[in-house]
Amino acid sequence: GENVEQHPSTLSVQEGDSAVIKCTYSDSASNYFPWYKQELGKGPQLIIDIRSNVGEKKDQRIAVTLNKTAKHFSLHITETQPEDSAVYFCAAKWDSNYQLIWGAGTKLIIKP
Amino acid sequence: EPEVTQTPSHQVTQMGQEVILRCVPISNHLYFYWYRQILGQKVEFLVSFYNNEISEKSEIFDDQFSVERPDGSNFTLKIRSTKLEDSAMYFCASSEVRGANEQFFGPGTRLTVL
Repeated sequence: GENVEQHPSTLSVQEGDSAVIKCTYSDSASNYFPWYKQELGKGPQLIIDIRSNVGEKKDQRIAVTLNKTAKHFSLHITETQPEDSAVYFCAAKWDSNYQLIWGAGTKLIIKP
Repeated sequence: EPEVTQTPSHQVTQMGQEVILRCVPISNHLYFYWYRQILGQKVEFLVSFYNNEISEKSEIFDDQFSVERPDGSNFTLKIRSTKLEDSAMYFCASSEVRGANEQFFGPGTRLTVL
């Protein structure tokens, strides 16, 4: 079955710098890749997603890139702010089924 | 903005007891899901539900688990006889249509089995 690996497990960056989180997936049939942000005491919140027919998607300071050949996708956050501190999860899914397969999560720490 | 809600936020139970976790999905959504996250581990899919029946379930979702939509708004997960290893954060999610893919999550219920 599908497996999603996520790195790093913890990432500490200076406020204002960029942060990059990377994920790889195993099943080439996966065609939907969301990123979730989880703040303490809250459920995962969808922040951006990408489908396999697109190589890059951007929403203000957040962008996601997808390399289908290498089966990896990345989250890029630019000009990081203290409120970006959270745990970020990548996931993968294919249209014919319902479940999201999750990465292990990255704890992002923004240092003031 | 519409959101998924879950109750209770924390449930403590004795091993062998039955628990029911409750969720109110977003009102116009048609697909409902339960996931769980054991402390320090990945989020895992349990089950999806559509049109009053299970559409997909994982190996975790054995005979001890059941789901129900008892009325037009609630979606419940029942664990019949809890085990220590059922201790986890349980997340409910909903999506508008399967093809839309986007799943919206509730805040979770922390289940502690003693």
